[in-house]
Amino acid sequence: DAMVIQNPRYQVTQFGKPVTLSCSQTLNHNVMYWYQQKSSQAPKLLFHYYDKDFNNEADTPDNFQSRRPNTSFCFLDIRSPGLGDAAMYLCATRDWGTNTEAFFGQGTRLTVV
Amino acid sequence: RKEVEQDPGPFNVPEGATVAFNCTYSNSASQSFFWYRQDCRKEPKLLMSVYSSGNEDGRFTAQLNRASQYISLLIRDSKLSDSATYLCVVSLNAGNNRKLIWGLGTSLAVNP
Repeated sequence: DAMVIQNPRYQVTQFGKPVTLSCSQTLNHNVMYWYQQKSSQAPKLLFHYYDKDFNNEADTPDNFQSRRPNTSFCFLDIRSPGLGDAAMYLCATRDWGTNTEAFFGQGTRLTVV
Repeated sequence: RKEVEQDPGPFNVPEGATVAFNCTYSNSASQSFFWYRQDCRKEPKLLMSVYSSGNEDGRFTAQLNRASQYISLLIRDSKLSDSATYLCVVSLNAGNNRKLIWGLGTSLAVNP
């Protein structure tokens, strides 16, 4: 059974049209990450939450925002998608305390037209 | 120097070959180490956690050398299905630093 679920799997949006990607988890993990991954590159961390504590990466564009209304859900909002934002967006969770591995959702592949 | 460095490959090997991947990390305070596997257009999946004593899971063996800040992954008797990108991941686990630091990945192609 999927433990980290991302919706949708594929998203096509128009240039400049806001889009929201969602992630939910059944693991009750306190840390949730959002990564952007482009072809042949490693995942790039955008931000992460530790419970409700939000941690933004210094080089994450202002165009990207996130919300975590509760432990189970986390959202990635792209306010004005540009062509360069086309990528796979990966959500991951981790149990901070046991220092175990991160569990990933299947990702949302975003296309900007 | 990158925080986590891997040979990008690609490694092209015949079925049945033994292949070794290496990874170095720059922060000596790193405490958790992982190898992930990523298939084309799929999410990364954990292959193995890496422990100080080394660990083995079937055809896969992972080693950690803290003194040299070096992690390795050995795949024996390669199968076609092992073709993927292998990502080395390191975590500090210190204070408020909960980030996972990723290598760029090593691409493996196992050929019939």
